[in-house]
Amino acid sequence: KNQVEQSPQSLIILEGKNCTLQCNYTVSPFSNLRWYKQDTGRGPVSLTIMTFSENTKSNGRYTATLDADTKQSSLHITASQLSDSASYICVVSASDDYKLSFGAGTTVTVRA
Amino acid sequence: EPEVTQTPSHQVTQMGQEVILRCVPISNHLYFYWYRQILGQKVEFLVSFYNNEISEKSEIFDDQFSVERPDGSNFTLKIRSTKLEDSAMYFCASGQGSGRGNQPQHFGDGTRLSIL
Repeated sequence: KNQVEQSPQSLIILEGKNCTLQCNYTVSPFSNLRWYKQDTGRGPVSLTIMTFSENTKSNGRYTATLDADTKQSSLHITASQLSDSASYICVVSASDDYKLSFGAGTTVTVRA
Repeated sequence: EPEVTQTPSHQVTQMGQEVILRCVPISNHLYFYWYRQILGQKVEFLVSFYNNEISEKSEIFDDQFSVERPDGSNFTLKIRSTKLEDSAMYFCASGQGSGRGNQPQHFGDGTRLSIL
C-alpha cells in the first residue's frame, strides 16, 4: 500500500529563521514527488514537483530535496515569514495510476 | 491567473439527502479530480476523470458517488444519499497532465459539506 509519512507533525519557528520538514514514502513505482502549501481554509497550492532524476528544486525561499534511493524528501524554508504559517503537505505520485498519495502534513507556525 | 472555482463554499444537508458539489476547472485542463479532507485528517483521493470518463477511483468512491462533466466547463460530484461520515471538505482539482506527469494539479478552495 502506498504511504507517505511526514515529520514533524507541527513546529513553531521565529520569523526570519530557517526550518526543514521531512517526508518518507513507500509509493512504488515512483513517478514524482510534490510539496504543497495549504493555508487554513484554502485548497493546496503546488510549491515544487520533482521526478526520479531530480535531487533538488527551488521555488523562492522554498527548496525541496529528493533522495529516490532512500525514498526521502525534505522541504527547507529559508528566512521564514509570517505568511509561511500553513500546513505543508508531501504528495507522491505512482507511475501506474492517476492519483496522488498525500501525507498528513506538517503545520508550521511562524511567530514574530 | 486562472483558478479552479468551487460552489458552494459551504453546504449543509440532512442525512439521506442528495447533494451536488460543483467545480469549474481551469479551461485548458484535461484531467479532473475530486479529493476529500475530513477535519484534522489528510487529503484523500476520490476519483480522477479524463476524456469524459472515470480513469481511476478509490475505495471511498462507492456507488453513492458519481461524477459528471455535463457541459464541457462544469465538473460535478454527486452524493446520492448522504451519511454523517460524508461530512468533510471536498476539493476539486484540475491539471494539464495526469498524476503520473510533472504537471501540477491546481486545487479549488473546497466545499465544506456538513451532514446533519
